[in-house]
Amino acid sequence: NAGVTQTPKFQVLKTGQSMTLQCAQDMNHNSMYWYRQDPGMGLRLIYYSASEGTTDKGEVPNGYNVSRLNKREFSLRLESAAPSQTSVYFCASRRPLGSSGNTIYFGEGSWLTVV
Amino acid sequence: QQQVKQSPQSLIVQKGGISIINCAYENTAFDYFPWYQQFPGKGPALLIAIRPDVSEKKEGRFTISFNKSAKQFSLHIMDSQPGDSATYFCAAYHSNTGKLIFGQGTTLQVKP
Repeated sequence: NAGVTQTPKFQVLKTGQSMTLQCAQDMNHNSMYWYRQDPGMGLRLIYYSASEGTTDKGEVPNGYNVSRLNKREFSLRLESAAPSQTSVYFCASRRPLGSSGNTIYFGEGSWLTVV
Repeated sequence: QQQVKQSPQSLIVQKGGISIINCAYENTAFDYFPWYQQFPGKGPALLIAIRPDVSEKKEGRFTISFNKSAKQFSLHIMDSQPGDSATYFCAAYHSNTGKLIFGQGTTLQVKP
């Protein structure tokens, strides 16, 4: 996966704790995304940012907040973690449509367990 | 409400066979339909994509068939190989909003 870096890769949280997942891309893309992946549910969009300074809710935004810190970085925050937020989280960035080849680049994923 | 519905959830195919995965969408504003391939422990990677003004797109052993009136599209993997064993996701993109919505995924196993 070229250019999208997520940290941490693994994290265990206790119910009620807070944490931030970090994401950075070095491809000068405008749009960035956060997804969660659960068995049988596919990838569900949590939040996305079409450009620096803008964020929008996706399919499952409850319990999460995001910050588009600058063009490179898009963070996902869990204010009060719940066991239902145990999942694999993927950050992605997108270059404009019309270009040939890959348009969405995904990070390697962050495995989060809430106990 | 699932905006993009994918079936089957899992698929087992013999080596050399044809793998077929189907997707249906609801929102006619979607204007780009990619398929992603994901191996365990990795993020999804773009496999092939199609726009709604085209009924079919082929890249090597992978073909997308698109039926705009039925709001359905499918992925065909010809001459399936064990190395194709992975999870496949269809998706639909809405250029006005920038949203990319995924189907539930299909786990493909190709038996040697």
